[in-house]
Amino acid sequence: GENVEQHPSTLSVQEGDSAVIKCTYSDSASNYFPWYKQELGKGPQLIIDIRSNVGEKKDQRIAVTLNKTAKHFSLHITETQPEDSAVYFCAASHTGGFKTIFGAGTRLFVKA
Amino acid sequence: GAVVSQHPSWVICKSGTSVKIECRSLDFQATTMFWYRQFPKQSLMLMATSNEGSKATYEQGVEKDKFLINHASLTLSTLTVTSAHPEDSSFYICSARGGLAGDHSYNEQFFGPGTRLTVL
Repeated sequence: GENVEQHPSTLSVQEGDSAVIKCTYSDSASNYFPWYKQELGKGPQLIIDIRSNVGEKKDQRIAVTLNKTAKHFSLHITETQPEDSAVYFCAASHTGGFKTIFGAGTRLFVKA
Repeated sequence: GAVVSQHPSWVICKSGTSVKIECRSLDFQATTMFWYRQFPKQSLMLMATSNEGSKATYEQGVEKDKFLINHASLTLSTLTVTSAHPEDSSFYICSARGGLAGDHSYNEQFFGPGTRLTVL
């Protein structure tokens, strides 16, 4: 069945450094790839998304890249801050499908 | 982004009782709502998908008679955990997706803040 793999499961960086989280997906029909940030005890928040007709998208310190051929997509956070500490989930879905498949999550720690 | 609310944010109940959780889309019409369950330090597990005005589609292994879902309007879906047991204790999260009924081109999902259920 469809699967999304996410790495690493835990990531610790120093404040100001960059953080990169990578995901791969198995369903070649996937064409929508959102990223969610979940803080402790809260629901996931959509922070950025990318569609398959675009290779890269940036929003201030956050960027996402997509390689459809390799079925890889990545989240890049630059100039990390302590408030970036959270669990990040990647996901994949496609037009015509109801389900969104989530990765297992990455726990990001930003040390001050 | 669109706002989705959930009520209550937490609930403690006795074993054998039923608990209802509400999910509302506040500023858009949600043709589809999803219910997830999340265990500590784990990813989101989809329980069911509901479209307004029709029966929910449950994922394999999810008991539809135990987790009753109603999506009676375009802004409200409810999840009722019937005859709750301690193993039902979990974090329940809903999400909502807009777009026209039957229009699967709208992918964005917006999540509620979650409801923590503790069954004693």
